[in-house]
Amino acid sequence: DVKVTQSSRYLVKRTGEKVFLECVQDMDHENMFWYRQDPGLGLRLIYFSYDVKMKEKGDIPEGYSVSREKKERFSLILESASTNQTSMYLCASSLPPGGNSYEQYFGPGTRLTVT
Amino acid sequence: GQNIDQPTEMTATEGAIVQINCTYQTSGFNGLFWYQQHAGEAPTFLSYNVLDGLEEKGRFSSFLSRSKGYSYLLLKELQMKDSASYLCAVRDLGDYKLSFGAGTTVTVRA
Repeated sequence: DVKVTQSSRYLVKRTGEKVFLECVQDMDHENMFWYRQDPGLGLRLIYFSYDVKMKEKGDIPEGYSVSREKKERFSLILESASTNQTSMYLCASSLPPGGNSYEQYFGPGTRLTVT
Repeated sequence: GQNIDQPTEMTATEGAIVQINCTYQTSGFNGLFWYQQHAGEAPTFLSYNVLDGLEEKGRFSSFLSRSKGYSYLLLKELQMKDSASYLCAVRDLGDYKLSFGAGTTVTVRA
């Protein structure tokens, strides 16, 4: 079974702190994604990566950056956390497009609260 | 980008059938996904449609009409454990990304 793990289930940080959210997948997937999920807004894509050291902006990249130094690990960085970044953060991974096996596998999520 | 609409909430009785509709507008289309998400948990994959028609998988079925930009997820013989949020997601042509609807919360009552 594909397993996607995230470093924390719950995290509380102060405004202005630098925050690292880590995601690791064990299925050798090329693609990895970071979403945030807010009530009434659904999942919104922050960044994604289709290969090591490659990254692309999603729909809401402002205030975030990412790092992918190894294939299995994709990190989301909040350079200076703000209260409007309080949210549920979900990491996902998938194989490349080109077949039916494109579903994204999600981690359990990190509920981040910025005070 | 994509514009994906689905109802916010639905309520049904145990043993009944519920149909969750999803409409989308897209410049290119390369598949529609349904995910289930229980409260506080990760979304899990339910179904994938890329051609028109009905895909059946046990108690769950998913239908797609590309010409109408329309899909539905049909949940039969509802059980209490089916109470969850159901997410519709569309993949654009040649794209790595999925665009998600806001989700439909289904509540199953005894």
